[in-house]
Amino acid sequence: AQTVTQSQPEMSVQEAETVTLSCTYDTSENNYYLFWYKQPPSRQMILVIRQEAYKQQNATENRFSVNFQKAAKSFSLKISDSQLGDTAMYFCALPSNTGNQFYFGTGTSLTVIP
Amino acid sequence: NAGVTQTPKFRILKIGQSMTLQCTQDMNHNYMYWYRQDPGMGLKLIYYSVGAGITDKGEVPNGYNVSRSTTEDFPLRLELAAPSQTSVYFCASTPGTGQNTQYFGPGTRLTVL
Repeated sequence: AQTVTQSQPEMSVQEAETVTLSCTYDTSENNYYLFWYKQPPSRQMILVIRQEAYKQQNATENRFSVNFQKAAKSFSLKISDSQLGDTAMYFCALPSNTGNQFYFGTGTSLTVIP
Repeated sequence: NAGVTQTPKFRILKIGQSMTLQCTQDMNHNYMYWYRQDPGMGLKLIYYSVGAGITDKGEVPNGYNVSRSTTEDFPLRLELAAPSQTSVYFCASTPGTGQNTQYFGPGTRLTVL
């Protein structure tokens, strides 16, 4: 069975600093995708970034980047130049290749301190 | 293009009542999902559908039912509401397989008293 683990329930970072959120997963698939979603206080789930497992290059979206270590089954999210609007819950997610299951971690609550 | 819409946004039910949570997407996505999110937790899959007329159970289906008569709509039915069903419910859709990004609705906050 596929699992996703986020071991940091809460984190905080000073505005303009860099923070890294951890995620580990388990899957028997060789080709798969990984996602980070952000959930601000509004509750809306917002895609932050996605990574394709067969790509060597780590995905980057503006201030957000990932450190994808396939052999270690690790998928961490780095937020650079943190902004107050980054305050949110962050979820790591792993879909099954059939698309009928998406597995979410328990989330990391990030607070950006002014 | 509204994406995924859910109604209502909030609802309070009494124990034993029933209700239907509505979900509609206008992106012509084949796959649709219902999740629940309990306080401080991640999302758990209730039911999913891979196309009109096809539904299947997820991780936590007990106490819920779904139907998918059209591509656009995927309502979730709660029969005999219980306090354990107090949660935030999210509907999501994706074009096809697991390689696709899930698009989420804004959620429905349900309280059962």
